[in-house]
Amino acid sequence: GDSVTQMEGPVTLSEEAFLTINCTYTATGYPSLFWYVQYPGEGLQLLLKATKADDKGSNKGFEATYRKETTSFHLEKGSVQVSDSAVYFCAHTVGGDKLIFGTGTRLQVFP
Amino acid sequence: DTGVSQDPRHKITKRGQNVTFRCDPISEHNRLYWYRQTLGQGPEFLTYFQNEAQLEKSRLLSDRFSAERPKGSFSTLEIQRTEQGDSAMYLCASSLGLAFHETQYFGPGTRLLVL
Repeated sequence: GDSVTQMEGPVTLSEEAFLTINCTYTATGYPSLFWYVQYPGEGLQLLLKATKADDKGSNKGFEATYRKETTSFHLEKGSVQVSDSAVYFCAHTVGGDKLIFGTGTRLQVFP
Repeated sequence: DTGVSQDPRHKITKRGQNVTFRCDPISEHNRLYWYRQTLGQGPEFLTYFQNEAQLEKSRLLSDRFSAERPKGSFSTLEIQRTEQGDSAMYLCASSLGLAFHETQYFGPGTRLLVL
């Protein structure tokens, strides 16, 4: 069935390090792909999205490319900051637009 | 634009009691979704509305759960005869509802604890 698999956390990095959080999906049809972020004590916020194959979503220095051939949507950032510490959720839409989420990856960035 | 709001933010109840949560979507958003998130997991879809019509319900939504959106604006989610397994964060989201795969905007959630 439809699902999202993302790498286990926590991911612990020093400030200015390179970040990759892996995400792969299983879906029927042509899903849109999303990364949502949840900062401590706050609700889910959309970070970026891509709606078709080879699209690149980007926001706040984060990027992810919709790879249909590998069914992946890995999140990357060239230089993380302490303020990026949060839980990141990969998701895709199916059917009537419901979102299917991964289990989330906690990122901890230390100065 | 005040965003999606949910009330209450926290609810503690005893097993067997009924609880009701409210969600106010972003104004002019036609679609409204409910999700449930347990600790360490991603949100799981429960149900969604297009205007006042409830178009899909997850099998997670047992007979004890009911959701309404009577005038196509705010929505309520009621849980009857609560069980300890109902303890979770209940999230509401809304989207414009004019196309497929639109961005969903989430509220802060209602955290339910069933004792």
